[in-house]
Amino acid sequence: KNQVEQSPQSLIILEGKNCTLQCNYTVSPFSNLRWYKQDTGRGPVSLTIMTFSENTKSNGRYTATLDADTKQSSLHITASQLSDSASYICVVSATDNAGNMLTFGGGTRLMVKP
Amino acid sequence: NAGVTQTPKFRILKIGQSMTLQCTQDMNHNYMYWYRQDPGMGLKLIYYSVGAGITDKGEVPNGYNVSRSTTEDFPLRLELAAPSQTSVYFCASSYNGRPNQPQHFGDGTRLSIL
Repeated sequence: KNQVEQSPQSLIILEGKNCTLQCNYTVSPFSNLRWYKQDTGRGPVSLTIMTFSENTKSNGRYTATLDADTKQSSLHITASQLSDSASYICVVSATDNAGNMLTFGGGTRLMVKP
Repeated sequence: NAGVTQTPKFRILKIGQSMTLQCTQDMNHNYMYWYRQDPGMGLKLIYYSVGAGITDKGEVPNGYNVSRSTTEDFPLRLELAAPSQTSVYFCASSYNGRPNQPQHFGDGTRLSIL
């Protein structure tokens, strides 16, 4: 069964600090991995996407890494801001053109305090 | 830039009532999806559509129905509402459903069944 596990479930950091969120997956056959940011009361918004051959991708202060051998990904947030407070969801796609093979993690809820 | 619009934002239903959750997108996307998000859990696919007139079941379709008469609209129908359907419902769309295309999400409908 395809699964995506994220850790930690929740995290509190001080503004200006860095943090790293983890994602482990067992999805086959693997197509790509995407990180979404979900603000409270809003829908998820795509941050980064990585295919099998990519091991790092940046979007401003967000940097995602992928180790396809160990089936692990991380999302590193640099110099956190209050606006980074949100849930971060790891989503892994299997190779299916119907678009119905997305497996969502349960998310990490990040709170950035002043 | 409207993107994906969902209505209503909140709704309380009594057990056994029926309702339709509305979703419309203005990006001319072919693929549309309905998900439910339960606390601490990953999004689960209810139904999806690859184009007008074509729909298919996702992972958790029981208790729901959909239709896709136009490219823009993809309503979700709940018949005989049950407490287990208390959740946040998200509609999403993508251009062609391929794994490298991001899904664009609406802001959700928060539904409580009492």
